[in-house]
Amino acid sequence: AQSVTQLGSHVSVSEGALVLLRCNYSSSVPPYLFWYVQYPNQGLQLLLKYTSAATLVKGINGFEAEFKKSETSFHLTKPSAHMSDAAEYFCAVSGLGTGTASKLTFGTGTRLQVTL
Amino acid sequence: NAGVTQTPKFRVLKTGQSMTLLCAQDMNHEYMYWYRQDPGMGLRLIHYSVGEGTTAKGEVPDGYNVSRLKKQNFLLGLESAAPSQTSVYFCASRGYGNTIYFGEGSWLTVV
Repeated sequence: AQSVTQLGSHVSVSEGALVLLRCNYSSSVPPYLFWYVQYPNQGLQLLLKYTSAATLVKGINGFEAEFKKSETSFHLTKPSAHMSDAAEYFCAVSGLGTGTASKLTFGTGTRLQVTL
Repeated sequence: NAGVTQTPKFRVLKTGQSMTLLCAQDMNHEYMYWYRQDPGMGLRLIHYSVGEGTTAKGEVPDGYNVSRLKKQNFLLGLESAAPSQTSVYFCASRGYGNTIYFGEGSWLTVV
């Protein structure tokens, strides 16, 4: 079984401030972990993914995430927020196997607001 | 590259009507998925398929049926639509490295 918990359904930061979106996972097998971004009325776009290589993963738009097995976390960060980062962000986990292990399980999402 | 294409993008149904959402992918992926997205609940898996001719239930399968007659297509059917099925539906397929590719979404309203 696998699950994802995103702490904070809404996060507000000032433009230029650090962005930190939290994600904790639970998985009975070594996980693949993902962050997706969704802009209003659009589909989901992959920001970055962890696939058991480097624990610090760099993604698009200046985002990165660090896999910490001891904390079962995969928090998303960006050093300096931009107005264009305002969107909803989803953390997701899947297993390495086939069948049911291949399912992608999502968190409930965190809406990021960026203020001037 | 078309990627994952969903049709229709918008639809309004009356309670009790039936409809089919079509998902097509041109990446030769084996695994395909249907999710629904509702406010505050993230994306929940309805059904999925691990290959042509196979389907399996996800978290919230009730009220939906699916078919995967061709590898590139994954159809989601609502036999008797209910207001609780008002949602945004996303189709996805799984590629290399377990990366999931999503369609643009289908907005369904049941009145």
